Amino acid sequence: GAGVSQSPSNKVTEKGKDVELRCDPISGHTALYWYRQRLGQGLEFLIYFQGNSAPDKSGLPSDRFSAERTGESVSTLTIQRTQQEDSAVYLCASSLSPVQPQHFGDGTRLSIL
Amino acid sequence: AQSVTQLDSQVPVFEEAPVELRCNYSSSVSVYLFWYVQYPNQGLQLLLKYLSGSTLVESINGFEAEFNKSQTSFHLRKPSVHISDTAEYFCAVTRRGNTDKLIFGTGTRLQVFP
Repeated sequence: GAGVSQSPSNKVTEKGKDVELRCDPISGHTALYWYRQRLGQGLEFLIYFQGNSAPDKSGLPSDRFSAERTGESVSTLTIQRTQQEDSAVYLCASSLSPVQPQHFGDGTRLSIL
Repeated sequence: AQSVTQLDSQVPVFEEAPVELRCNYSSSVSVYLFWYVQYPNQGLQLLLKYLSGSTLVESINGFEAEFNKSQTSFHLRKPSVHISDTAEYFCAVTRRGNTDKLIFGTGTRLQVFP
């Protein structure tokens, strides 16, 4: 079935490099969310897109983090000048509307050396 | 703002034993409540949800959770667990009527032993 697709599944990079993570939501889902899951911790909200509304960026931890979404399709999460504390699994989720449950991708495991 | 507390980080249990994973939330407004499950090396999957109506909700694989407004709890239970239930379980809350970001608990790792 066509679930939420994230790429790459794993990314290893050196400290200071920029990385770009991609999320393909389920077709027709207007809401898209990015979360971060650090080892042994819960999920941390990063950013939320809903249709053409201004995104809710309240969870982005620093200005090194940014995200874009093209219409109601693909989203990219960019981390500039990566730091070791950025190492985590980055999860994307989408939902039909804000009041519907979210469907998660398998995540991108990011490791900063 | 909403918050979620999962008091137990790990719950070890033997197969066929009952289990309860605790979840308490804090909110000044009405909420929707969810349990998500994350099997090893997989993404999160919705296990069950409370939006309105009956306070007891069930999943297709035998889990149930009861919304208790007075105790602000949404504990997850199963009368008899299987090895395959071994996973990380996350409780989550969002504001009723305007769901945007889910607020997750820190998770409970359920380890089922034979």
